[in-house]
Amino acid sequence: QPQLQESGPGLVSPSDTLSLICTVAVDSISTSNYYWGWIRQPPGKGLEWIGSVYFGGSTWYNPSLKSRVTISVDTSNNQFSLKVSTVTAADTAVYYCARQPRTTVVKFYFDSWGQGTLVTVSS
Amino acid sequence: QSVLTQPPSASGAPGQRVTISCSGGSSNIGRNTVNWYQQLPGAAPKALIHSDNQRPSGVPDRFSGSKSGTSASLVINGIQSEDEADYYCATWDDSLLCGVFGGGTKLTVL
Repeated sequence: QPQLQESGPGLVSPSDTLSLICTVAVDSISTSNYYWGWIRQPPGKGLEWIGSVYFGGSTWYNPSLKSRVTISVDTSNNQFSLKVSTVTAADTAVYYCARQPRTTVVKFYFDSWGQGTLVTVSS
Repeated sequence: QSVLTQPPSASGAPGQRVTISCSGGSSNIGRNTVNWYQQLPGAAPKALIHSDNQRPSGVPDRFSGSKSGTSASLVINGIQSEDEADYYCATWDDSLLCGVFGGGTKLTVL
């Protein structure tokens, strides 16, 4: 059983909102030990951090996406979610959710990743 | 254009030593620890090195990391065919207030 599992529509129409959920197994999302993040990878390209969330509600976003992105936590279902509004073809990518240890020493480290889900933006 | 610069490709014969560089600046590598990820073909990235030079449990000791100033390096001693993958460096940028990844290096085992 994977520790993190992404789910959501594989096809989104241009100008619509992309919505994904990451279900966390094993860990409690309410732990103080981790942040929870989203990273994406356009086909054939590199990795791009989208943002991260703490169960208490604090969020951090990539400035280049901040105006269109919302990440939130659902503690009752042990899930966190991603919404990207007003999508275009440039948002077509494999979207990964990942676990990020919360320490004062190590920043921006993802120690466990979901398998990823491809989201295509097309009419 | 990535904030962190990696060579697009690297190669070596089985058993050779390969070094992959990651060049940044004073607001990212110069201030924060560097992490490395391995992405095998068709798979999700996997944590390889954290805190500049620490291996998570289960990562073979032929993988090592180092950092000097605003540059970091991943060294693979005695590469094996199963090491053929894309490798990414990553860190936090205090000026951009953003997590940043290098563009990735595709390692080919000859």
